[in-house]
Amino acid sequence: GQQVMQIPQYQHVQEGEDFTTYCNSSTTLSNIQWYKQRPGGHPVFLIQLVKSGEVKKQKRLTFQFGEAKKNSSLHITATQTTDVGTYFCAGRSGGGADGLTFGKGTHLIIQP
Amino acid sequence: DGGITQSPKYLFRKEGQNVTLSCEQNLNHDAMYWYRQDPGQGLRLIYYSQIVNDFQKGDIAEGYSVSREKKESFPLTVTSAQKNPTAFYLCASSRQGSFYGYTFGSGTRLTVV
Repeated sequence: GQQVMQIPQYQHVQEGEDFTTYCNSSTTLSNIQWYKQRPGGHPVFLIQLVKSGEVKKQKRLTFQFGEAKKNSSLHITATQTTDVGTYFCAGRSGGGADGLTFGKGTHLIIQP
Repeated sequence: DGGITQSPKYLFRKEGQNVTLSCEQNLNHDAMYWYRQDPGQGLRLIYYSQIVNDFQKGDIAEGYSVSREKKESFPLTVTSAQKNPTAFYLCASSRQGSFYGYTFGSGTRLTVV
C-alpha cells in the first residue's frame, strides 16, 4: 500500500533558526496536505498542494510540492516558540475521498 | 460555530469490554474518518465513510466497527478483539472529494485497565 515517509522525526532548534521537514511518498500523489498538532492537541489543517512544482507561502511557512508529485517540504523561517508542535504531511494517490495516508510527523522542539 | 465533537475526552476500559467512542459534526460534511494515533506512529486510518449507510475499512480495521446512520454521526466501537486498544483516537470530517482538508475533533484517549 501507499507509504508516506517523513524526516526528521525530531528537530531541535534555537529560537530564530530555520526549520525544514521533508516528506516522501512511495507513489505519485494527487495532492499533499500539511497539518500541525500542538502538544496535547489535535491536528489542524495548514495547506494543500495540488500542482507539480507548486510553492505556497503562509507568512514564515513555505510549502513545496515536487515536480514528480512524490515529495514535499515545509520550511519555517526564523522559528518562534509558537511554532512548537508536530508537523504532518498527508497524501493520497487516488481521486476519491478515501482516507489520507499520514507521515509519522516531525516534532519541532524550540529552545529559547 | 460549526465543528466536530468527540466524547468522552478520556475513557477507561477493562479488558474484554466493548466501548463506543462518539463523533458528531455540524459542518454538513459528507465524509468522516477515524484515525488512531500512537507515539511515534503518526496517524493510522481505521475506517472511513463517504456517505450515509456506507463505510470502508482503512489500514487497521481489525477489532473495530463503525456505523453511519446519520450524516452528522460516525461512532466507533472498539471491540474486545482489538488486542492493543490503548491509544489516542481522532475523528475527522471533510467535504466529499479528494481536494479538501480535514477538520479534526479534539480526540478521545482510551486506556485499557
